Amino acid sequence: DTGVSQNPRHKITKRGQNVTFRCDPISEHNRLYWYRQTLGQGPEFLTYFQNEAQLEKSRLLSDRFSAERPKGSFSTLEIQRTEQGDSAMYLCASSLGDLSGNTIYFGEGSWLTVV
Amino acid sequence: TQLLEQSPQFLSIQEGENLTVYCNSSSVFSSLQWYRQEPGEGPVLLVTVVTGGEVKKLKRLTFQFGDARKDSSLHITAAQPGDTGLYLCAGASNNNDMRFGAGTRLTVKP
Repeated sequence: DTGVSQNPRHKITKRGQNVTFRCDPISEHNRLYWYRQTLGQGPEFLTYFQNEAQLEKSRLLSDRFSAERPKGSFSTLEIQRTEQGDSAMYLCASSLGDLSGNTIYFGEGSWLTVV
Repeated sequence: TQLLEQSPQFLSIQEGENLTVYCNSSSVFSSLQWYRQEPGEGPVLLVTVVTGGEVKKLKRLTFQFGDARKDSSLHITAAQPGDTGLYLCAGASNNNDMRFGAGTRLTVKP
């Protein structure tokens, strides 16, 4: 088991460009989560999937953000028309089921810098 | 505003000292987790507490969940430079997502 895998680990992009991050959860984990973390803050919840269904989205997830998990395995997070305020670490996590008795495991994150 | 309030925000101590960090909320959680995060890395789970009043020990770390399941503390005995990092608490209130505090940044000087 390789844990939660994210790529790319680092991305520098110009303002206005689109970026996409990929997350491969722990195999057999049916829940997948995306969080965003800025310097000096804890991770902030963005959205989560149960299998391929996106069940909850934070108001932080503006129209420029879209997340997919088409086959219930890996997920992508796309940011369109990036802004400098999008600069952050984007964390993916997965769990075997809901959080009543299961642990959530995080990947190492994808750093985004918008210049 | 953070759902979970952590204190202190920063803590700098000498090797060998003891310390306690706190995680407080007005919400009740079905479970609460403590994580440690290194710069540029994702959070790594230290412990999960589920039952009110529960105490768990992990070597020199002692975690306690409040009786009302609204708060928690992390106590480190005889801190070492390797304990340096960002300590995050996170609570699951509806079993569907986890909300984090802003963290306590600990520095242990040799």
